[in-house]
Amino acid sequence: DAGVTQSPTHLIKTRGQQVTLRCSPKSGHDTVSWYQQALGQGPQFIFQYYEEEERQRGNFPDRFSGHQFPNYSSELNVNALLLGDSALYLCASSLLGTGISYEQYFGPGTRLTVT
Amino acid sequence: AQSVTQLGSHVSVSEGALVLLRCNYSSSVPPYLFWYVQYPNQGLQLLLKYTSAATLVKGINGFEAEFKKSETSFHLTKPSAHMSDAAEYFCAVSVRNAGNMLTFGGGTRLMVKP
Repeated sequence: DAGVTQSPTHLIKTRGQQVTLRCSPKSGHDTVSWYQQALGQGPQFIFQYYEEEERQRGNFPDRFSGHQFPNYSSELNVNALLLGDSALYLCASSLLGTGISYEQYFGPGTRLTVT
Repeated sequence: AQSVTQLGSHVSVSEGALVLLRCNYSSSVPPYLFWYVQYPNQGLQLLLKYTSAATLVKGINGFEAEFKKSETSFHLTKPSAHMSDAAEYFCAVSVRNAGNMLTFGGGTRLMVKP
């Protein structure tokens, strides 16, 4: 049973560019959450997608957007990249369709470096 | 809003010694609490969770944590440290009316000396 997968593993972009990160949830899960983890810090919640809609959003600017596809996979898009966007981006999946699922399962992350 | 404070960004113990990682939370409603471990260049792995059942929670790799409402704490312990326990540990909280969005503490790096 495949767990949460993310691609790419590493990415280097230039300031002002746009980037798309991808996530496939654990088999059977219907919800994807994205977190940003800056170096030396705990992860911070960006947003969560359920039923192809953004369900919750953390304190991140509109430059951060996302999408969820019918197969539950998800993309995170960041426009007009800033140096401060350099971080590990973590995707987590869970099952909300049958009630609240407390647990989130995390992928290995995508390391984004903005130069 | 909820928050988590992890006391001690770095903790060093000798192999075989007791591990104690501290976590205090703030929440206006009953919380769900979690401990995650992160090894270098990897994602987060769930160690254990408290979801309003037993207050003493046992997790993987010999770790356990006790929910103490009066102290708003959820400290992580392990009786005997192993070299393989060296990693970053994160305490996190979620609440029922916020879906399962996690709010994390800043993390504690555990170092194990031979």
